[in-house]
Amino acid sequence: DIQMTQSPSSLSASVGDRVTITCRASQSISTYLNWYQQKPGKAPQLLINAASILRSGVPSRFRGSASGTDFTLTISSLQPEDFATYFCQQSFSSPYTFGHGTKLELK
Amino acid sequence: QVQLVQSGAEVRRPGSSVKVSCKASGGIFKSYAFSWVRQAPGQGLEWMAGIIPVFGPPTYAPKFQDRVTITADESTTTAYLELSGLRPEDTALYYCAKGGPDYSFFDLWGQGTVVTVSS
Repeated sequence: DIQMTQSPSSLSASVGDRVTITCRASQSISTYLNWYQQKPGKAPQLLINAASILRSGVPSRFRGSASGTDFTLTISSLQPEDFATYFCQQSFSSPYTFGHGTKLELK
Repeated sequence: QVQLVQSGAEVRRPGSSVKVSCKASGGIFKSYAFSWVRQAPGQGLEWMAGIIPVFGPPTYAPKFQDRVTITADESTTTAYLELSGLRPEDTALYYCAKGGPDYSFFDLWGQGTVVTVSS
């Protein structure tokens, strides 16, 4: 199985901050990397697919990038509604594994 | 627009089985990939299995290969997950998730079904 190592596991930030979440794949996955946001009591929501493609309706302050087996989700200016848990997920090969998540909390 | 509505919460004894359903409406059912993803309390997400009705044979994560069966009924546009040999550690929220024509991403999720395994 491809292991997805996500960091940090938690992050405290303020409204307006720029934050970065990183995910590293245990092997090459090209750009088969997705980012999801999950709020308490809700199902995950797809934010970015194929490492950098912003889904329709997702604010442009979210940005995804890739460099080899390292992937980054950047939120340029945190808004109150962005405080949630974020997961990366590889879709290169089955089983389609997720990172353990990053809980973004209000400082 | 496709919507996914899952069946209600279940409580089972260890060793028994459970079958969860996911009804899709508003789209072309057989053209989409459907997956089952579970989330134990306070934990992360774990992909279990998937099926693309137009192609037939499902794909299973090795961890669940011998205990999980997923099916898709085109006549009712419903996907099913059956998990056997239940253990307390199977207690989780089970989501169905829709992809595109393959498993490249999961762009729509059901509301989740809580399965509790307890003696």
